[in-house]
Amino acid sequence: DQQVKQNSPSLSVQEGRISILNCDYTNSMFDYFLWYKKYPAEGPTFLISISSIKDKNEDGRFTVFLNKSAKHLSLHIVPSQPGDSAVYFCAASADEAGNNRKLIWGLGTSLGVNP
Amino acid sequence: DTAVSQTPKYLVTQMGNDKSIKCEQNLGHDTMYWYKQDSKKFLKIMFSYNNKELIINETVPNRFSPKSPDKAHLNLHINSLELGDSAVYFCASSQAFRNYEQYFGPGTRLTVT
Repeated sequence: DQQVKQNSPSLSVQEGRISILNCDYTNSMFDYFLWYKKYPAEGPTFLISISSIKDKNEDGRFTVFLNKSAKHLSLHIVPSQPGDSAVYFCAASADEAGNNRKLIWGLGTSLGVNP
Repeated sequence: DTAVSQTPKYLVTQMGNDKSIKCEQNLGHDTMYWYKQDSKKFLKIMFSYNNKELIINETVPNRFSPKSPDKAHLNLHINSLELGDSAVYFCASSQAFRNYEQYFGPGTRLTVT
């Protein structure tokens, strides 16, 4: 049962345009959401996060939007650059019993930015 | 300096063997993790240690045994390797258990033949 879903396995965008990566979740207890970026043969690297008390968080070219009622979040990259080509993972977390939190990951979306 | 390092990067071995993967972080973090990324690219946590104490222990066969000799190291030992163990294993660390900004190692690609 996948609690975090990234329904688009891949996305192709022209350099300079906006990239929008989507993520849906099913667990209403999730209260913290993150995006990680992964290049081939490397581990994921943290990109940006958002708490459930917010609906938007911005960091430079990256903005994450959260729609709690729709259980949906999205990552906007603008303008997109060729160096942004990577796999982007959405992850979510909930406060479980004993305060043991863990990240639940989506399957990732492979973004290709064409020059 | 590599923040989170894993050795080896590639590991090819036969079924039934026992192998270990080592992980070290030089970030001063107190929480470390092991993840498994299977052939479907699904990244799933296996274990988490906080200050050398096991915090998260997912439903993992007991052939997998993590060992944390100190805060900077979390090793993974796997007994009686099976074909289904083939995957990429990632080590990660974070500043504190509630900090989700995890720093990942480059991964160890394990192939069991």
